[in-house]
Amino acid sequence: EVQLLESGGGLVQPGGSLRLSCAASGFTFSDYAMSWVRQAPGKGLEWVSAISGRGTTYYADSVKGRLTISRDNPKNTVYLQMNSLRAEDTAVYYCAKHITGTKSFDPWGQGTLVTVSS
Amino acid sequence: QSALTQPASVSGSPGQSITISCTGTSSDVGSYNLVSWYQQYPGKAPKLMIYEGSKRPSGVSNRFSGSKSGNTASLTISGLQAEDEADYYCCSYTSSSTWVFGGGTKLTVL
Repeated sequence: EVQLLESGGGLVQPGGSLRLSCAASGFTFSDYAMSWVRQAPGKGLEWVSAISGRGTTYYADSVKGRLTISRDNPKNTVYLQMNSLRAEDTAVYYCAKHITGTKSFDPWGQGTLVTVSS
Repeated sequence: QSALTQPASVSGSPGQSITISCTGTSSDVGSYNLVSWYQQYPGKAPKLMIYEGSKRPSGVSNRFSGSKSGNTASLTISGLQAEDEADYYCCSYTSSSTWVFGGGTKLTVL
């Protein structure tokens, strides 16, 4: 069974940094692209970033230059380094596995909440 | 990249059919047959319901179907059931090698 488990969320001050992790199991991790998708409280889904199995990265314009996605294939983990955080980054952050060739996400993790506030 | 346009809410009675539209541009929905649809219950993670416009993952009821015409994709749920009450989001791959979601549609089963 494919499982994705996010961690690392919490309360951080504006301008601060945080690193999210997503531990994967149940599939050959290095064969699959992964994405981070966020959801602000009471709002819709927003795609944030993706990384291919080999490490090519993609970002939404809203986070480019502040958030960095990376992966450690031997550890079956994908990361999201979040710098220069703003109040508008407050959201539940989900990691999701790509279905190869379909540009869709399945499954998703349970999410981790990031709150940016002073 | 602007969000895809979905109706904020739709409703239907049990047994009826409803359709949720998702309008994008020639740079996303219109460019590829790579629209996916997700169901989300309050406080839960999204679940993939449709991919590549009209394909259903294993385990998803055949009451859910997808289609596309031009820059607009649609999700149809037939034989509406109480358990279908949830938020639904469309998502499209874009010509910039990014993804864009719709604003979400709240489905109410009357």
